[in-house]
Amino acid sequence: GAGVSQSPSNKVTEKGKDVELRCDPISGHTALYWYRQRLGQGLEFLIYFQGNSAPDKSGLPSDRFSAERTGESVSTLTIQRTQQEDSAVYLCASSLGQGTISYNEQFFGPGTRLTVL
Amino acid sequence: GQQVMQIPQYQHVQEGEDFTTYCNSSTTLSNIQWYKQRPGGHPVFLIQLVKSGEVKKQKRLTFQFGEAKKNSSLHITATQTTDVGTYFCAGRNAGRDDKIIFGKGTRLHILP
Repeated sequence: GAGVSQSPSNKVTEKGKDVELRCDPISGHTALYWYRQRLGQGLEFLIYFQGNSAPDKSGLPSDRFSAERTGESVSTLTIQRTQQEDSAVYLCASSLGQGTISYNEQFFGPGTRLTVL
Repeated sequence: GQQVMQIPQYQHVQEGEDFTTYCNSSTTLSNIQWYKQRPGGHPVFLIQLVKSGEVKKQKRLTFQFGEAKKNSSLHITATQTTDVGTYFCAGRNAGRDDKIIFGKGTRLHILP
């Protein structure tokens, strides 16, 4: 498929465990975003990757959260020592990114629903 | 830092009534995008506005970008049950990096 994919679709973990969430952006998209969406709430920006530039980590809620991206491809979001308040849907989005014309639609993946017991 | 505020947070309307959601930025935007998220789904792009004062229409949806490029609105005429969902605006700072900031969204509920 040509869309953004995320895995796993659902993750249930115990408090204190680490989790790793994966995002496969659309091929050729240089910009990649991670968002958190709690039930019934809006999109909370977490981190933004643009090409080879240093990522914008200003939205990460604590040092338990980190993310990496390999070049302009796969990204992983890692949450260490998970807490119950981390329970949410984690959405990834990609776009053509900087240097392109102003039309810069974000394509969202289906999300990973994380439940911390 | 840049903030994008959206009002109202929730809106209940009778089917057939009109609906409007407003988006305001603390800084001048280079462009603004609107997304719709159906219940249980992920956000889907609706439109992008770039020019000052721009107005675009998609069937019953009318999108406006303010003259100062700091605010925007989405108006739905004669709502239908298929319009149910949360509408998000997302703005990009003028002259800054490519980061797009989302508003909190307006959740629209249609009463039959």
